[in-house]
Amino acid sequence: SAVISQKPSRDICQRGTSLTIQCQVDSQVTMMFWYRQQPGQSLTLIATANQGSEATYESGFVIDKFPISRPNLTFSTLTVSNMSPEDSSIYLCSVGDEDTQYFGPGTRLTVL
Amino acid sequence: ILNVEQSPQSLHVQEGDSTNFTCSFPSSNFYALHWYRWETAKSPEALFVMTLNGDEKKKGRISATLNTKEGYSYLYIKGSQPEDSATYLCAFGDSGGYQKVTFGTGTKLQVIP
Repeated sequence: SAVISQKPSRDICQRGTSLTIQCQVDSQVTMMFWYRQQPGQSLTLIATANQGSEATYESGFVIDKFPISRPNLTFSTLTVSNMSPEDSSIYLCSVGDEDTQYFGPGTRLTVL
Repeated sequence: ILNVEQSPQSLHVQEGDSTNFTCSFPSSNFYALHWYRWETAKSPEALFVMTLNGDEKKKGRISATLNTKEGYSYLYIKGSQPEDSATYLCAFGDSGGYQKVTFGTGTKLQVIP
């Protein structure tokens, strides 16, 4: 298993600003993932954070809006850029092994 | 886009009642079906991962079954307790990659003392 922490746990932001979310894992992992859950929606994969290379984004998500860093095997950041109220969501990072995925506690973002 | 549906969206049960919910998923390219429990302000917690048709898994009062041919899984909770109150998520993994899964929207369970 893996223990994952995220910062901040929640934030309220003004539209047009950006927020960077940090994810720290207690062990080295190859792949880290970023998800979001918009109100009433399912958890949706935003991108896979790859160490040493650019993140791999899912359909509908772009690097300009959600830039991701992965400087080492235990840490990643997700930035939500130029925010609008539609970005209000819970953002989670996760890591996986062969059986399952382990999630951080999430960052609850509200954009006014 | 893979369609993973859960029903009901929410339910309230009395303490001591047993309950169950459904997850339906595509019956082709099946790799694994996951169940998670997500309590408010906590991390989603893995309950089960099932890979074989007919699989049954059990963890305390919670159990799950899997039918890959018809594309559904049931999660059962026996003798519900207030601490079972949470959102239960299923996630479908296709043969495209075991770590990339598609989540359902969840079933929110409230157990009333």
